[in-house]
Amino acid sequence: AQSVTQLGSHVSVSEGALVLLRCNYSSSVPPYLFWYVQYPNQGLQLLLKYTTGATLVKGINGFEAEFKKSETSFHLTKPSAHMSDAAEYFCAVSDQAAGNKLTFGGGTRVLVKP
Amino acid sequence: EPEVTQTPSHQVTQMGQEVILRCVPISNHLYFYWYRQILGQKVEFLVSFYNNEISEKSEIFDDQFSVERPDGSNFTLKIRSTKLEDSAMYFCASTSGGGPYEQYFGPGTRLTVT
Repeated sequence: AQSVTQLGSHVSVSEGALVLLRCNYSSSVPPYLFWYVQYPNQGLQLLLKYTTGATLVKGINGFEAEFKKSETSFHLTKPSAHMSDAAEYFCAVSDQAAGNKLTFGGGTRVLVKP
Repeated sequence: EPEVTQTPSHQVTQMGQEVILRCVPISNHLYFYWYRQILGQKVEFLVSFYNNEISEKSEIFDDQFSVERPDGSNFTLKIRSTKLEDSAMYFCASTSGGGPYEQYFGPGTRLTVT
């Protein structure tokens, strides 16, 4: 069975500082990995995904993530936090053998301080 | 931009009552999903649906749950006899293909069972 672990349920960063959200996964097959963001009272919106190929993937709003197979990690970063980045972020892995259902991590809530 | 819509945004029901949560997926999408998020917990997969039948379901999706695509646009989740522990945010998602395509999520329906 697949699983996703996000370290840190809450992260506080200063505006302009680096955002680093950690995600580790377990999967018995090559994984498809996703980061979603949820703003208050909204659904989940895709930030970026990794399927195959280049291990550094760029997404919307200046975010990027690097797939590291040896570390089973897919950490999300943004060089400079903006107030609008305050949201909850979810890492997920797709199960190709099960209708591509998503298995989510517990989420990390980001607070951006002025 | 096309989006997934869900109604109602908030549903309050008494234990033992039936509820139907409604979703309108993006029009050319073929794969449909329901997820739920109990307050403070992970987003959990419930069921996936393709070609008018369930393709995968989780252990949560027991006989009290059913899904239907009654017409060409709606996708519904029915809970036959609600329990207190069914209180959660329910998200519908859809995607165009069976591979690692982005799942587009609706804004969710908050179900409160009293």
